[in-house]
Amino acid sequence: DVKVTQSSRYLVKRTGEKVFLECVQDMDHENMFWYRQDPGLGLRLIYFSYDVKMKEKGDIPEGYSVSREKKERFSLILESASTNQTSMYLCASSLFGTENEKLFFGSGTQLSVL
Amino acid sequence: GNSVTQMEGPVTLSEEAFLTINCTYTATGYPSLFWYVQYPGEGLQLLLKATKADDKGSNKGFEATYRKETTSFHLEKGSVQVSDSAVYFCALSDHAGKSTFGDGTTLTVKP
Repeated sequence: DVKVTQSSRYLVKRTGEKVFLECVQDMDHENMFWYRQDPGLGLRLIYFSYDVKMKEKGDIPEGYSVSREKKERFSLILESASTNQTSMYLCASSLFGTENEKLFFGSGTQLSVL
Repeated sequence: GNSVTQMEGPVTLSEEAFLTINCTYTATGYPSLFWYVQYPGEGLQLLLKATKADDKGSNKGFEATYRKETTSFHLEKGSVQVSDSAVYFCALSDHAGKSTFGDGTTLTVKP
């Protein structure tokens, strides 16, 4: 069974801390994505990557960075966490190519910044 | 830019009722269209998709037809069950790999 695994289901951090959210996929997908999900706002794209060491800004990249050193792993980094980054974070992956656009999602990480 | 507008929720129905969740989109070119479902405590999973005009996607009794003339992709089910209670997201993909999502519609089905 295909799988996207996010390292933590729940995370509580303090304002100003550096936070790492990890995502691993076992499907050999080229594309990986980080979204945040907030009530009434749907899913908003933070960053995405089409290949190892490549990254592209999404719609709301401010306050975040990413790392993709290996094809299967895509990390989201909050350099200095703030309370407005309290949210559900969803990682997703997909194959490259127009016939393979469907996204496979992880279960999400609920991050609370106090 | 691309955008997706979904019918506002929440939606509450009795079991065996008919479901419609409206979805319209704005996009350049000819995007692929999707419905994803999110059950409580889980990530999103693909429910159905359509890749070109007049295509009908279907799965688990749900259907949606890609209507280019009205830029719509409404989700329908003839008889909902309690187990269909979830959040439903309409989305489009721009063929460059990026997806745009609607705000989600929460469906609650009561016995």
